[in-house]
Amino acid sequence: DQQVKQNSPSLSVQEGRISILNCDYTNSMFDYFLWYKKYPAEGPTFLISISSIKDKNEDGRFTVFLNKSAKHLSLHIVPSQPGDSAVYFCAASAVINSGGSNYKLTFGKGTLLTVNP
Amino acid sequence: NAGVMQNPRHLVRRRGQEARLRCSPMKGHSHVYWYRQLPEEGLKFMVYLQKENIIDESGMPKERFSAEFPKEGPSILRIQQVVRGDSAAYFCASSPRQTLDYGYTFGSGTRLTVV
Repeated sequence: DQQVKQNSPSLSVQEGRISILNCDYTNSMFDYFLWYKKYPAEGPTFLISISSIKDKNEDGRFTVFLNKSAKHLSLHIVPSQPGDSAVYFCAASAVINSGGSNYKLTFGKGTLLTVNP
Repeated sequence: NAGVMQNPRHLVRRRGQEARLRCSPMKGHSHVYWYRQLPEEGLKFMVYLQKENIIDESGMPKERFSAEFPKEGPSILRIQQVVRGDSAAYFCASSPRQTLDYGYTFGSGTRLTVV
């Protein structure tokens, strides 16, 4: 039972263009969403997050959009750079699942982004 | 200001042996979380510990796996009598508080291979 789904295993874009990574979730109790970036042989690095009370959060080149009715979120990277090439994980948590806190993350399987020079 | 330190980075064990994975949280962080990533999968929550306490072990397999975070020293994830299915990357994360304001800080992981 996969509660967080990243249906595109890979994505390839040209440097300078927009990268759009998608994520769908099934658990309507999720109320906090995060994106992590992971290079080979390294741990995931936190990128950006969004609470369910918002529909957009922006940080530099990274913007996350949340559509609660569709249970869908996306990460936009503009402009894309070769150094952005990595695996991107979508993750979600629910306060109710963590006894009043939101420490327990449910991850998707990841999308490998390749940015070509 | 060292990050989350995990060792060893790579660990090879024969079936039936024990594996011990260590995690030193970031300075000032008293909350530690262990996640496992099986091949071609996302990370899955295993256990959440604070100093000397297991807060949530709902993601731990019922047998052969245990975790501790003693008053002094690193957190230890212990796998007894390893089997091939335990081969995975094990990531430790830490945070200064229980809530996820800006996400966890993950270590680089320990890659366990059972032969």
